[in-house]
Amino acid sequence: GAGVSQSPSNKVTEKGKDVELRCDPISGHTALYWYRQSLGQGLEFLIYFQGNSAPDKSGLPSDRFSAERTGGSVSTLTIQRTQQEDSAVYLCASSPGTSGVREQYFGPGTRLTVT
Amino acid sequence: QKEVEQNSGPLSVPEGAIASLNCTYSDRGSQSFFWYRQYSGKSPELIMFIYSNGDKEDGRFTAQLNKASQYVSLLIRDSQPSDSATYLCAVTGGSYIPTFGRGTSLIVHP
Repeated sequence: GAGVSQSPSNKVTEKGKDVELRCDPISGHTALYWYRQSLGQGLEFLIYFQGNSAPDKSGLPSDRFSAERTGGSVSTLTIQRTQQEDSAVYLCASSPGTSGVREQYFGPGTRLTVT
Repeated sequence: QKEVEQNSGPLSVPEGAIASLNCTYSDRGSQSFFWYRQYSGKSPELIMFIYSNGDKEDGRFTAQLNKASQYVSLLIRDSQPSDSATYLCAVTGGSYIPTFGRGTSLIVHP
């Protein structure tokens, strides 16, 4: 079956612009994670959705970052007024039920470059 | 703040040798421990997870956990050039939110 998909694969934007990154999880997966990975860094957790529960936003670095998940499926990560330090690969992952990290499947990522 | 520490490497081993990758963590309440492999330019993929003290083996991979020392390791036996990648250690506590280390780069040379 289809894996996790993300779009766009690459995004170049000017400082100060808003960007939207999209994630399509594996069908039936109720948990969805967003991470970012800067050059030479490990994965930094951003936000976690589980079913219809309120998301865990504890990893969002500033109020310029927000995410939503519509209908328990597709998720959009929005970064407002982008800064150069936002340049990174943004990864989405999904997992079934309450398996969490144990059965986490990653998408290919969106490489964001802020100029 | 929860921290997960890994030596960035690179760790270079000859083909056929045992590669030993190490990870320490700061939160004594950590419960679950994960090793991911990430090839250059690709997304991470889960290799193994371990919950209990001791060893867990899966093919050429062995995860070792010592909660008293707050230490988890990954051994790769009979290393192959295709094992060359960055290995990420991740730790969770009572929630589903993982903390990742920065990863160790492994190079297996023929």
